[in-house]
Amino acid sequence: AQRVTQPEKLLSVFKGAPVELKCNYSYSGSPELFWYVQYSRQRLQLLLRHISRESIKGFTADLNKGETSFHLKKPFAQEEDSAMYYCASSGFQKLVFGTGTRLLVSP
Amino acid sequence: KAGVTQTPRYLIKTRGQQVTLSCSPISGHRSVSWYQQTPGQGLQFLFEYFSETQRNKGNFPGRFSGRQFSNSRSEMNVSTLELGDSALYLCASSLGAQGNTEAFFGQGTRLTVV
Repeated sequence: AQRVTQPEKLLSVFKGAPVELKCNYSYSGSPELFWYVQYSRQRLQLLLRHISRESIKGFTADLNKGETSFHLKKPFAQEEDSAMYYCASSGFQKLVFGTGTRLLVSP
Repeated sequence: KAGVTQTPRYLIKTRGQQVTLSCSPISGHRSVSWYQQTPGQGLQFLFEYFSETQRNKGNFPGRFSGRQFSNSRSEMNVSTLELGDSALYLCASSLGAQGNTEAFFGQGTRLTVV
């Protein structure tokens, strides 16, 4: 079964500290991986997808097929990064989401 | 262009009643998916429609059903409501199959069952 695991419900860091949001997936095929973000009172929106290999708002994510991980990283967190982050994988034409990690960046 | 629109934004229903939620996708998008969002479970996939056909279904009881119209607008229905159905229901539209192209989400309908 397709599954996405985000082990941390809450990650609290200070401004300027590095951030790593963990995501592990299980899928027998070759899924496409995504990170979606939901800022306070805003819609859930795509942050980045692994095939584009982009850096969005300073965030990057590398797909590690050996470890079946797709961790989201940012070297220096900003207060405006505070949000709910969801990792998702695609397979069989549907998106499966993790339970989400709330990132709180304090000044 | 207009984003995904969900109506109504808020609903309060009594146990045993039924409810219909509506989703208007972005113009040109043919795929509409529905998700249930709760604090403990995160986003759980309900079903996906593409060109009026249900292509995929999540692990929800038969009380949850949906449909898609020729203009790609979609409705979701929940019958015999239970307290546990209280959640934020999100709709997402995309150009192609979910997962292959970016999903654009609506603001959701918050359903409270009392």
